[in-house]
Amino acid sequence: IAGITQAPTSQILAAGRRMTLRCTQDMRHNAMYWYRQDLGLGLRLIHYSNTAGTTGKGEVPDGYSVSRANTDDFPLTLASAVPSQTSVYFCASSDSPDRGSDTQYFGPGTRLTVL
Amino acid sequence: GQNIDQPTEMTATEGAIVQINCTYQTSGFNGLFWYQQHAGEAPTFLSYNVLDGLEEKGRFSSFLSRSKGYSYLLLKELQMKDSASYLCAVVPNDYKLSFGAGTTVTVRA
Repeated sequence: IAGITQAPTSQILAAGRRMTLRCTQDMRHNAMYWYRQDLGLGLRLIHYSNTAGTTGKGEVPDGYSVSRANTDDFPLTLASAVPSQTSVYFCASSDSPDRGSDTQYFGPGTRLTVL
Repeated sequence: GQNIDQPTEMTATEGAIVQINCTYQTSGFNGLFWYQQHAGEAPTFLSYNVLDGLEEKGRFSSFLSRSKGYSYLLLKELQMKDSASYLCAVVPNDYKLSFGAGTTVTVRA
């Protein structure tokens, strides 16, 4: 059972370049999420998807876009990377997006450095 | 916005007890999670509280007081492998988890 996989594990990127972080889950969860984690700030929600075909903006969506063409995949795209997007990015999934007790399961993360 | 506060760092000795406090002010409340995150790894689920009181799960316990906007995670019989960050996360009205910055616990021999 893989759970959630993310690719790449790490990446160094030149500013201005386009980059897509990949996320795939095999738990048939309805909801998926993208977070960034920065020292001293904790996990902040970038975008989410409550179900395939729908997406929504989180706390820090600017500079990022997502799509949810099917249940399993939820890619995050940086159209033109900037140094402030240097961070560790975590993808997560959960079964039900509107139930308080619903546990989110996290992928291993992608460490992105923008120079 | 949501406001969730927890201490930045704590240090304790192997075999001891450590209590990590979390206070919150959020738009609504649908529960509180504690996650554990080892360095360089993903957060993993520890506990969920939605009713007031203490939930015990082996060496780890979590307490909630909704009227005070307060929770704590209690780690007993500390082991070296418990060295990690512990994340407090609240479920507000929109059901989107709001995380505190995390508390890094260092266990010394």
